[in-house]
Amino acid sequence: DAKTTQPPSMDCAEGRAANLPCNHSTISGNEYVYWYRQIHSQGPQYIIHGLKNNETNEMASLIITEDRKSSTLILPHATLRDTAVYYCIVRAPNTGNQFYFGTGTSLTVIP
Amino acid sequence: DAGVIQSPRHEVTEMGQEVTLRCKPISGHDYLFWYRQTMMRGLELLIYFNNNVPIDDSGMPEDRFSAKMPNASFSTLKIQPSEPRDSAVYFCASSQAPSTVDEQFFGPGTRLTVL
Repeated sequence: DAKTTQPPSMDCAEGRAANLPCNHSTISGNEYVYWYRQIHSQGPQYIIHGLKNNETNEMASLIITEDRKSSTLILPHATLRDTAVYYCIVRAPNTGNQFYFGTGTSLTVIP
Repeated sequence: DAGVIQSPRHEVTEMGQEVTLRCKPISGHDYLFWYRQTMMRGLELLIYFNNNVPIDDSGMPEDRFSAKMPNASFSTLKIQPSEPRDSAVYFCASSQAPSTVDEQFFGPGTRLTVL
């Protein structure tokens, strides 16, 4: 699975959009980009995933660059409850369902 | 569905004792995963099962660790003998058969402290 690089920490004002970047320059053509988050003392939670098109769901939007070497997770209106560690993972589906979590980005939403 | 269930939620034991962590996956999920999380090493995959069969145990730290899945609704992770460096939060997760979604559902974790 491709290696990902994320900033260790970020701050965001409550109510503003949080934009979390992820670099995955060695991503392969069949690898998807997944985002999970982990709120303190809880297990990780799936947010969104995509291959090459931008994706949106009720939680977030995922913007993937045309060359697929980087992506951005967008939380449109961050709330205090969005304070968590966000993990960007790239992997090919149907490869044994393994996820390798890196160190992620610790997002702090400030009142 | 109640989600992935883990027990106990907290475990404090003394070095050398046997520890057994338990997990009940979401009904209908074919995959079960055991992870360990520490401040130093982050979230690590220990082992995962497909249809109750261990597929990859390369993340199991050493022979003191063993995992079983006797049926589709139950799995255990055992540490014998336990050591202080085993102190961590252990998560169990489950997912359905492979698909592009590949969403894993995590349990609340078991916080293990070995004194």
